[in-house]
Amino acid sequence: GNSVTQMEGPVTLSEEAFLTINCTYTATGYPSLFWYVQYPGEGLQLLLKATKADDKGSNKGFEATYRKETTSFHLEKGSVQVSDSAVYFCALSDQRTGGFKTIFGAGTRLFVKA
Amino acid sequence: DTGVSQNPRHKITKRGQNVTFRCDPISEHNRLYWYRQTLGQGPEFLTYFQNEAQLEKSRLLSDRFSAERPKGSFSTLEIQRTEQGDSAMYLCASSSGLAGEPSTDTQYFGPGTRLTVL
Repeated sequence: GNSVTQMEGPVTLSEEAFLTINCTYTATGYPSLFWYVQYPGEGLQLLLKATKADDKGSNKGFEATYRKETTSFHLEKGSVQVSDSAVYFCALSDQRTGGFKTIFGAGTRLFVKA
Repeated sequence: DTGVSQNPRHKITKRGQNVTFRCDPISEHNRLYWYRQTLGQGPEFLTYFQNEAQLEKSRLLSDRFSAERPKGSFSTLEIQRTEQGDSAMYLCASSSGLAGEPSTDTQYFGPGTRLTVL
């Protein structure tokens, strides 16, 4: 079945450091891929998405490129801020092979120090 | 657009009791999802509604769980004879359906209902 694997946290960075959070997926079809973020005390919210191979999703300085050849969707940001401290979830959805469900990774907690 | 709301935000109950949670999606969103999230894990899909029709249920949704969306607006999730293993955050999400396939839709999540079963 479809699945998502993301790097374990926590990840601790200093402000203005480069961020990469790895995400790989297993899917029999052509899923849509998502990154969701959960800030402390808040609900999950969509950060970015890509719906087909080679698409790049971007938002708030974060980027992720849908790589079909490596089945990856790594999240990157060039210069993190303290306000980026949160839990980040990689997710996939494919109605044609996986039904209506969205499958989430376990989450990666990011701490950014001033 | 007031966002997805869920009530109650917290529920503490004793093992064996029944509990019911409510989700009010963003108005006019015809797609509604329930998830369960335990500490340190990502959300796990429970069930999906398109309007009032329940189109998919996870095997996680045992016969003690039932979900309804009677008029295609708000939804309820009931757990009968609660067990300690039911303790989790229960999340509701909705999407507009305008993107076409559910796979490409943006889901908007509510704040969740945290259930503690003693």
